[in-house]
Amino acid sequence: AQTVTQSQPEMSVQEAETVTLSCTYDTSENNYYLFWYKQPPSRQMILVIRQEAYKQQNATENRFSVNFQKAAKSFSLKISDSQLGDTAMYFCAFMKPPSGNTPLVFGKGTRLSVIA
Amino acid sequence: EAGVVQSPRYKIIEKKQPVAFWCNPISGHNTLYWYLQNLGQGPELLIRYENEEAVDDSQLPKDRFSAERLKGVDSTLKIQPAELGDSAVYLCASSLGGPSYNEQFFGPGTRLTVL
Repeated sequence: AQTVTQSQPEMSVQEAETVTLSCTYDTSENNYYLFWYKQPPSRQMILVIRQEAYKQQNATENRFSVNFQKAAKSFSLKISDSQLGDTAMYFCAFMKPPSGNTPLVFGKGTRLSVIA
Repeated sequence: EAGVVQSPRYKIIEKKQPVAFWCNPISGHNTLYWYLQNLGQGPELLIRYENEEAVDDSQLPKDRFSAERLKGVDSTLKIQPAELGDSAVYLCASSLGGPSYNEQFFGPGTRLTVL
């Protein structure tokens, strides 16, 4: 079974600064997807960024980028130029190769606070 | 386009009472998921539907939980009887389905408090 570990329960960052959230995972699969989801307080979960394991290039989405280290099974999220609206729970998630849309396996999350 | 709709948003009940949650997925999404999110934890899958068929319900506690997705559109998750430990957020998500990757879109969730 796949497991996802987020070792930082809480983090804070000053507005406009850069922060990195850590995630490690365990799987015997060679091909899979990794995700970072954002869950703002009392609001629904949204996808931040997706990485396909067979792609060596790290995914980027505007201020969000990942550092994907397949051999180390590490998948960190870097948020640049942090904004107050980035305050949220961030979940790292794993998905086996899609076959009828397999479910996501989530970590426990990191609560990020952006401070003005 | 409307997102995934869930109701109610909040529910408070006494233990041993029944409770039901409703989910309407994004139009055209064949795959529907129910996840359980305990306080301070990430979501965990309860059940997944492909159209009206439950294709993955291994994590659903079938002694007290039941779910249905009649006509392959909206879905209902029921707990009877509720226990104190069922207090959590119940998330519904949907995706297009099919053999390739499709993004899962989440609803706002139903926060259940069992007293």
